[in-house]
Amino acid sequence: GESVGLHLPTLSVQEGDNSIINCAYSNSASDYFIWYKQESGKGPQFIIDIRSNMDKRQGQRVTVLLNKTVKHLSLQIAATQPGDSAVYFCAERRAGSYQLTFGKGTKLSVIP
Amino acid sequence: DTGVSQDPRHKITKRGQNVTFRCDPISEHNRLYWYRQTLGQGPEFLTYFQNEAQLEKSRLLSDRFSAERPKGSFSTLEIQRTEQGDSAMYLCASSSISGEGQFFGPGTRLTVL
Repeated sequence: GESVGLHLPTLSVQEGDNSIINCAYSNSASDYFIWYKQESGKGPQFIIDIRSNMDKRQGQRVTVLLNKTVKHLSLQIAATQPGDSAVYFCAERRAGSYQLTFGKGTKLSVIP
Repeated sequence: DTGVSQDPRHKITKRGQNVTFRCDPISEHNRLYWYRQTLGQGPEFLTYFQNEAQLEKSRLLSDRFSAERPKGSFSTLEIQRTEQGDSAMYLCASSSISGEGQFFGPGTRLTVL
């Protein structure tokens, strides 16, 4: 069935470098996407969201890019810090629904 | 702290017992969601409420599971006759009426022995 997936299960970056976490989705009916950060033993923490009528949205040190043509979503983290180490999930919401469908997650490790 | 809260944070029970979890959403949020997360996986949708009405249920929500939100504020999720396969993190989230920006609580970790 259609689902949200991720290109890489793990990503290691040097402290201070930029990180890019990718996500592929296959449901063309999805109109809203969210990136979450989850630390061990905690609930997912909202990072940034984007609607399907946008290509890019920026927050503090984070940028989400949406390419609807190839159904691809990415999260860019600028100047990655040790506190950014966590599992990152993208989630999609189909138009007309309120449930989120999550991918498996990418584990980001920041090397000091 | 005005975020989503869940109680208890951890629950250990024996197979066959009933358990109940509570979720208190962000106070001005109309929508409340329940998800389940197993180790190494992303959260999976179980059900959601708009005020006190339960509007969507996943096929994961077997007849042993029941959720309520009687006054449109806090919600409870009950699992009857627990099975070992029910062991997971149960997450609650809430959002405004638009449904955008679902904010999660810390979760209740259930272990069924």
